[in-house]
Amino acid sequence: DGGITQSPKYLFRKEGQNVTLSCEQNLNHDAMYWYRQDPGQGLRLIYYSQIVNDFQKGDIAEGYSVSREKKESFPLTVTSAQKNPTAFYLCASSTPPRGSYNEQFFGPGTRLTVL
Amino acid sequence: SQQGEEDPQALSIQEGENATMNCSYKTSINNLQWYRQNSGRGLVHLILIRSNEREKHSGRLRVTLDTSKKSSSLLITASRAADTASYFCATDVLGTGRRALTFGSGTRLQVQP
Repeated sequence: DGGITQSPKYLFRKEGQNVTLSCEQNLNHDAMYWYRQDPGQGLRLIYYSQIVNDFQKGDIAEGYSVSREKKESFPLTVTSAQKNPTAFYLCASSTPPRGSYNEQFFGPGTRLTVL
Repeated sequence: SQQGEEDPQALSIQEGENATMNCSYKTSINNLQWYRQNSGRGLVHLILIRSNEREKHSGRLRVTLDTSKKSSSLLITASRAADTASYFCATDVLGTGRRALTFGSGTRLQVQP
């Protein structure tokens, strides 16, 4: 089955802890993305990566870090510097835009709660 | 206001009725996409319309794009209870060097059986 997976589904973090959210895809997509979604809101871009070993900050990168060492994997670390990390985190992937086409495929999400 | 804002924020209709959602955006785009999200799940791509297209159909979905007004609409015909979800528009913005979509805040659709 081709797809994009995220783990864990639910994650609880104590204040001051760093936590890492996993995102893996076997779609052979070059581009991967992390979004944050707050209740009743749209998606805000945290980081994105167009190719391995390269990534760019999105609109709300402060307090987050990423790595892209493998094409299949794009983990997101929520650091203690992120003051309000409780949210729903979504990972997505796509082929790089060819012409004007870049449909994104989404994982099922990770719900992070700070205790 | 942000790029890609949907209107209305919430919509409640009866099964069998049509549902229309609108999206407005601010800057020039390559394309505009619509996604659906069931509660607590990831998003699913519904349809993409390019900047040089004016209308597109896919099953019960009809999307229009008016680049002069910087707006798009999504029409779901003959709605079903299973269409209950949030619907988001997303724009691929032209000329910024940013290679990522910008999502709106969504329309929450409730279809009553």
